[in-house]
Amino acid sequence: DAGVIQSPRHEVTEMGQEVTLRCKPISGHNSLFWYRQTMMRGLELLIYFNNNVPIDDSGMPEDRFSAKMPNASFSTLKIQPSEPRDSAVYFCASSLTSGPYNEQFFGPGTRLTVL
Amino acid sequence: AQSVTQLGSHVSVSEGALVLLRCNYSSSVPPYLFWYVQYPNQGLQLLLKYTSAATLVKGINGFEAEFKKSETSFHLTKPSAHMRDAAEYFCAVNARATNKLIFGTGTLLAVQP
Repeated sequence: DAGVIQSPRHEVTEMGQEVTLRCKPISGHNSLFWYRQTMMRGLELLIYFNNNVPIDDSGMPEDRFSAKMPNASFSTLKIQPSEPRDSAVYFCASSLTSGPYNEQFFGPGTRLTVL
Repeated sequence: AQSVTQLGSHVSVSEGALVLLRCNYSSSVPPYLFWYVQYPNQGLQLLLKYTSAATLVKGINGFEAEFKKSETSFHLTKPSAHMRDAAEYFCAVNARATNKLIFGTGTLLAVQP
């Protein structure tokens, strides 16, 4: 089975540009999570979806960030406009169901650098 | 609110020595607890989880953790470290009413030959 797939793996962009990160969860998984990892703040949950519906977006830093899940096999995280402080590794994860005991499977991450 | 505290951001052990990574949790309800490992330039991978069955939980790669309610701890151990164990380890807690994992700040384990 393929794991969680994220693209691109690396993204370098200039301040002010729009950035779109993509995620394909494991087939059959009903929950999807977006995390951000930085040295200063560690791992932060940005938003999560159950059955394609956003459940909690309280971790989204500001209006420049938006996430969508148009179907069960695809999600995007968009930053517009991007700023240097958005530089981080962004992880997507999925789990089988919404139960809190379920393992979350992480993708390899997208390393974003905003110049 | 739930949280986990990992004591020691960096731990260094010799190959073959005991590994002990510390995690203390705070939770107003019985928690679900997890240990994840992150190898360089990779995503996180589940090592083991506690879901209120046995208090001693065995995971992959020879790791285990013991849930101690009286000490609010869930420390990760491995009897004999191997070079391939060098990675960053994260403790996490999940509230039973939500689906949110709250991660600790991580412990970077170095294994010296």
